[in-house]
Amino acid sequence: QKEVEQDPGPLSVPEGAIVSLNCTYSNSAFQYFMWYRQYSRKGPELLMYTYSSGNKEDGRFTAQVDKSSKYISLFIRDSQPSDSATYLCAMSAVDGSARQLTFGSGTQLTVLP
Amino acid sequence: KAGVTQTPRYLIKTRGQQVTLSCSPISGHRSVSWYQQTPGQGLQFLFEYFSETQRNKGNFPGRFSGRQFSNSRSEMNVSTLELGDSALYLCASSNDNYGYTFGSGTRLTVV
Repeated sequence: QKEVEQDPGPLSVPEGAIVSLNCTYSNSAFQYFMWYRQYSRKGPELLMYTYSSGNKEDGRFTAQVDKSSKYISLFIRDSQPSDSATYLCAMSAVDGSARQLTFGSGTQLTVLP
Repeated sequence: KAGVTQTPRYLIKTRGQQVTLSCSPISGHRSVSWYQQTPGQGLQFLFEYFSETQRNKGNFPGRFSGRQFSNSRSEMNVSTLELGDSALYLCASSNDNYGYTFGSGTRLTVV
């Protein structure tokens, strides 16, 4: 079983819809949680970065972390065709010398105009 | 502000050869990490360097190695290439928090 599980999709939604992307994890040591967006033939781009539990909002994006359920989410409001990409969750344990991100497999999102 | 620069962008090598990939981090970033991305395994951690020292290494064979120079630029080397080494190799840099910025990657094809 992988440490981080993510539904690969593909997920297709109409423009303007609210998108919900999720990951579950098994390692209770994970404390840092990130969401990356990756366009085709590009490297991942950091969207959101959260420490421990709680919510974080940035424009149309909201990240939620529920450590008791080992579950993280990314919500995209008013989705746009330019949001079409693969979304990757990533997480890391707290260790001053071990900066290693563990990624989910990614969810492919298409926003239809 | 310039991003993370990886060279070359594309590379084709023959089985058994070795390859060196280069990464220039964002100015001021001292932490550089390398990841391998394949359709089957996704993104997997290779190693992380900070101030020229390897701080962590992923579960890859010894054919995969790296180093970091005093200006924070980093290289990774793969010796005795195998077909399964074909992948997108990504470099990421950070100012020692967990917000890593990735480059566009080097796409390596082994034939």
